[in-house]
Amino acid sequence: SSELTQDPALSVALGQTVRIPCQGDSLRTYYASWYQQKPGQAPVVVIYGKNNRPSGIPDRFSGSSSGNTASLTITGAQAEDEADYYCKSRDNSGNQLVFGGGTKLTVL
Amino acid sequence: EVQLVESGGDLVQPGGSLRLSCAASGLIFSTYWMSWVRQAPGKGLEWVANINQDGSEIYYVDSVKGRFTISRDNAKNSLYLQMNILRAEDTALYYCARARYTYGSVHFDDWGQGTLVTVSS
Repeated sequence: SSELTQDPALSVALGQTVRIPCQGDSLRTYYASWYQQKPGQAPVVVIYGKNNRPSGIPDRFSGSSSGNTASLTITGAQAEDEADYYCKSRDNSGNQLVFGGGTKLTVL
Repeated sequence: EVQLVESGGDLVQPGGSLRLSCAASGLIFSTYWMSWVRQAPGKGLEWVANINQDGSEIYYVDSVKGRFTISRDNAKNSLYLQMNILRAEDTALYYCARARYTYGSVHFDDWGQGTLVTVSS
């Protein structure tokens, strides 16, 4: 299996933009999906595929990818965006799935 | 509205067994891949296993191969995880999730609330 690496913690000022990166060799082949998890709640997908947002996810969330790095960008962060964010992709075989270690986002 | 409801979590001794269930409603269960994902207390998410629509394709994370078995009963709209030879490191909240294969990626668009498995003597 392959690994996905995320920064353990990031912070952003209210209303500012933050990029949350995720690195891994398999990202050269497969898109990442991104999950938001708030304390005591199940994860929620916020971005999948090239840059697709499920219904109900605000358009301040966007995704991008370059080389071995996928990124989740929050443009104009809100207080309610404070959460843990996980990237996920396939491994190099395409059969197993792998999550990044997660990034704890603090909105200041 | 899709609902996934897990059950079967419990306190079990190391080396013991447990069977988790996930009851699905609000979706045509037989048309979707399904997955189990776990989260140890205070830790990150870990994918555990996937099963395709008719159970003919199954994949596991390396750490559970040979110990866990994922299965499904489409007639009962249910997903299962048989867990044998449990270890302390299997202690986690186990989520059932619907897996969607689209745009060259796999994403989980619906999740249950999880069932807690604690492995301890």
